[in-house]
Amino acid sequence: ETGVTQTPRHLVMGMTNKKSLKCEQHLGHNAMYWYKQSAKKPLELMFVYNFKEQTENNSVPSRFSPECPNSSHLFLHLHTLQPEDSALYLCASSPRLWDRTNEQFFGPGTRLTVL
Amino acid sequence: GNSVTQMEGPVTLSEEAFLTINCTYTATGYPSLFWYVQYPGEGLQLLLKATKADDKGSNKGFEATYRKETTSFHLEKGSVQVSDSAVYFCALSDLPGSSNTGKLIFGQGTTLQVKP
Repeated sequence: ETGVTQTPRHLVMGMTNKKSLKCEQHLGHNAMYWYKQSAKKPLELMFVYNFKEQTENNSVPSRFSPECPNSSHLFLHLHTLQPEDSALYLCASSPRLWDRTNEQFFGPGTRLTVL
Repeated sequence: GNSVTQMEGPVTLSEEAFLTINCTYTATGYPSLFWYVQYPGEGLQLLLKATKADDKGSNKGFEATYRKETTSFHLEKGSVQVSDSAVYFCALSDLPGSSNTGKLIFGQGTTLQVKP
C-alpha cells in the first residue's frame, strides 16, 4: 500500500450505532488531519495531530472522538451521530506541522450516511 | 484572519476551451499557495503549488502564478479536456505564529464541467 488509505470507503449507520473510521499513511509523515466535506460547504478541518499529540480540535461535537496511536494511524470513533453528520470524511497527512510549505496528502475518504 | 475566496461555480466549458478559475487570499505573513483537485468519488490531490511571490506552479498543463500585489493565485489551462472535470480547491498555508500552525486553509471549491 502506498500513500494514504482509508477504510471503510462507505459506511451506513443508525443514530445509535458506534463505528470507527480508520486512516493509515505509508509516507513516514508526522502530522495527520481529519476533515469533513459536506455538500455545498467548504472543507472543514476537524482535528490535527502532530507526533501522535492532538494539537487542534475545531469545536467538534464530542460524538466524534479521534485517536492517534502512532504517527501512521488515525482513527475517528463515531457514536450517537445525527443525520446532519452524513458527509465525506477525509484523512490527510503531511511531513510536519510547523512548515508553511506543507503539502498535505489526502486519502480517498469515507462516505458516511447516518440514518 | 486568513481566508481564501474562489469564484463560484459550476464552470461549464467545451473541450479545448481556455480555463481560468479565480482565487484571491487574505493572509498575514508570506503564505504558500496551493491548488488541489478532487475527481468524482476521490480524495483531494495536489495539482500545483507556489511558495513565494512571482513563483509559477505548473502541472498537467495547468498553471498558476503567485501574485502578491493582487493577492491572487488564479488557475489557468490553455485547452481543457473532458477528463479535467472535477472540483478545484485553492488553499493557503501561512507561517507558524501565535494562531497559525502552517495548516491549510481552503476555499469553497469550484466545480468544472467540460463537455465534449
